[in-house]
Amino acid sequence: AQRVTQPEKLLSVFKGAPVELKCNYSYSGSPELFWYVQYSRQRLQLLLRHISRESIKGFTADLNKGETSFHLKKPFAQEEDSAMYYCARSGPAIQGAQKLVFGQGTRLTINP
Amino acid sequence: NAGVTQTPKFRVLKTGQSMTLLCAQDMNHEYMYWYRQDPGMGLRLIHYSVGEGTTAKGEVPDGYNVSRLKKQNFLLGLESAAPSQTSVYFCASSSPPGRKNTGELFFGEGSRLTVL
Repeated sequence: AQRVTQPEKLLSVFKGAPVELKCNYSYSGSPELFWYVQYSRQRLQLLLRHISRESIKGFTADLNKGETSFHLKKPFAQEEDSAMYYCARSGPAIQGAQKLVFGQGTRLTINP
Repeated sequence: NAGVTQTPKFRVLKTGQSMTLLCAQDMNHEYMYWYRQDPGMGLRLIHYSVGEGTTAKGEVPDGYNVSRLKKQNFLLGLESAAPSQTSVYFCASSSPPGRKNTGELFFGEGSRLTVL
């Protein structure tokens, strides 16, 4: 079964410090990997996806197939980064439907 | 453009009662999904639909039924609510991945359901 593991339920860092949210996925074919974020009182929304190779709001994530990891990183955390972060991988596509499998989520708190 | 709208946002039920959650999207998306969010377990897919008139089971479908009579609406029903169904329910929609579309899921604001 496809699984996504986020080992940290809670992560707290100080403003300006580097932050890394860990994500490991079960190996099965060539999945697409995503990070979704939910800010306080806002909807869950896509932050970034591995095939885009983008940096969004200063965040990057590198897919490491050898370690089956997709860790989310930011060199200098900001207070507005405080949110719930979910790592997700694509499941078996059924007629194109994006059946995502989500990790347990990591609540990131940036302390002033 | 409201995106994905869920109603109701909050509901308290007694064990055995029934209810329906409504999800509506105005983005003309083909695909719609219902997830439940529980502490420490992330989001788990309940049911999904690849088009009007079609539905399919996800990871945790037991105790739920769904219908997609219109492309823009996706209903989630609980016939006989149980305390284990206390959760936050999220609806999402997406389009097929293409050149201009990443296949991104667009989520509603969530519906908090408590079953006593």
